[in-house]
Amino acid sequence: DTGVSQDPRHKITKRGQNVTFRCDPISEHNRLYWYRQTLGQGPEFLTYFQNEAQLEKSRLLSDRFSAERPKGSFSTLEIQRTEQGDSAMYLCASSYSGQETQYFGPGTRLLVL
Amino acid sequence: AQSVSQHNHHVILSEAASLELGCNYSYGGTVNLFWYVQYPGQHLQLLLKYFSGDPLVKGIKGFEAEFIKSKFSFNLRKPSVQWSDTAEYFCAVNARDTGRRALTFGSGTRLQVQP
Repeated sequence: DTGVSQDPRHKITKRGQNVTFRCDPISEHNRLYWYRQTLGQGPEFLTYFQNEAQLEKSRLLSDRFSAERPKGSFSTLEIQRTEQGDSAMYLCASSYSGQETQYFGPGTRLLVL
Repeated sequence: AQSVSQHNHHVILSEAASLELGCNYSYGGTVNLFWYVQYPGQHLQLLLKYFSGDPLVKGIKGFEAEFIKSKFSFNLRKPSVQWSDTAEYFCAVNARDTGRRALTFGSGTRLQVQP
């Protein structure tokens, strides 16, 4: 399968714990995006990388959230001191420069107890 | 900042009925427009897109959408739905003239097709 992959697919954690999610984009896609989706809503943009540079950040991305893409390939999204309101599906997408279409992964569903 | 409205939250149709899902966006500049579909248990997939040119675009599985700039609309249509079209449909936009890459999504329309 050469699509966008995300790991883990599900994560249950207790409030106050830190969690980290991984996204592997489609090979040769240099742009990578993180979105969050809650029940009954469409995805909301969090942040975007071109290669290893983080070029856009949403105001939804509080200081408890940090994303990295150290070598311009896979990316990680870390949430520190999780809160119940962080419970959501975290989606990753990738695209190639010059092509605006974003291809989405299966998502990581986070439940904070 | 742009926003996207999908007024139909839940649509129930019988097989062979025609479908039209509304999508309106608020942004005065140049936009790229998308429809994504999420089948039960699957991830978001691109249905069709509009960047420029012919405002009537055709996508996969017999879907089409028409961009009407004066109405800020990008409605999705299919002349005859099938049970397999049961899914959630999301309209999305990004502001091409700003250089921003973020997509703004609507809240989605859940389509249920009854056999």
